[in-house]
Amino acid sequence: DSGVTQTPKHLITATGQRVTLRCSPRSGDLSVYWYQQSLDQGLQFLIQYYNGEERAKGNILERFSAQQFPDLHSELNLSSLELGDSALYFCASSASWGGVSYNEQFFGPGTRLTVL
Amino acid sequence: GDSVTQMEGPVTLSEEAFLTINCTYTATGYPSLFWYVQYPGEGLQLLLKATKADDKGSNKGFEATYRKETTSFHLEKGSVQVSDSAVYFCALSSTPELGGGADGLTFGKGTHLIIQP
Repeated sequence: DSGVTQTPKHLITATGQRVTLRCSPRSGDLSVYWYQQSLDQGLQFLIQYYNGEERAKGNILERFSAQQFPDLHSELNLSSLELGDSALYFCASSASWGGVSYNEQFFGPGTRLTVL
Repeated sequence: GDSVTQMEGPVTLSEEAFLTINCTYTATGYPSLFWYVQYPGEGLQLLLKATKADDKGSNKGFEATYRKETTSFHLEKGSVQVSDSAVYFCALSSTPELGGGADGLTFGKGTHLIIQP
């Protein structure tokens, strides 16, 4: 158990809909990362937040957005869903010191999204 | 940009066999290197890491050495068990171990390992 939690575990929805995935980082971790794992693209970094602010962006679509709240939990919002958005979405967190993050990341169990 | 290449498999071995999973990388500077393992239906677990050239990461009988001259980080285990069956991912971070915003990890496509009794 990494200490990172994600809800829900599974999500089934229809094309065109919007969903929200939730992540709670390990206790004390200020950095949160989101990844998408799909069969064709593999594991891809989407976005990173540090203490409420966006720090880095990867291959995140414009239909996707994220935020990190004052209690440090994060949400990934996926809108106008397409069949190709079906994937496993992972959240990870990392420790920090002096305002900068360690690059060692700890992953949650993931949310499996199925778009029908 | 950064990239990681690893054999995709599936790799099928008998119990107690020697394991090598190759991983090579392309990155600027001096990346940190990681191996993660994903058991069926679970998330990714950090298996081992190395943050500078010639470092050897080790955990649970697995080892990998950071070879800058060959840009490689091959995973090895002397005697595999059925319980080692999983998907193994090689990954890199182009940021320092502690520094900057850390940024996301770049992953290889994963190697599916099957150990038969």
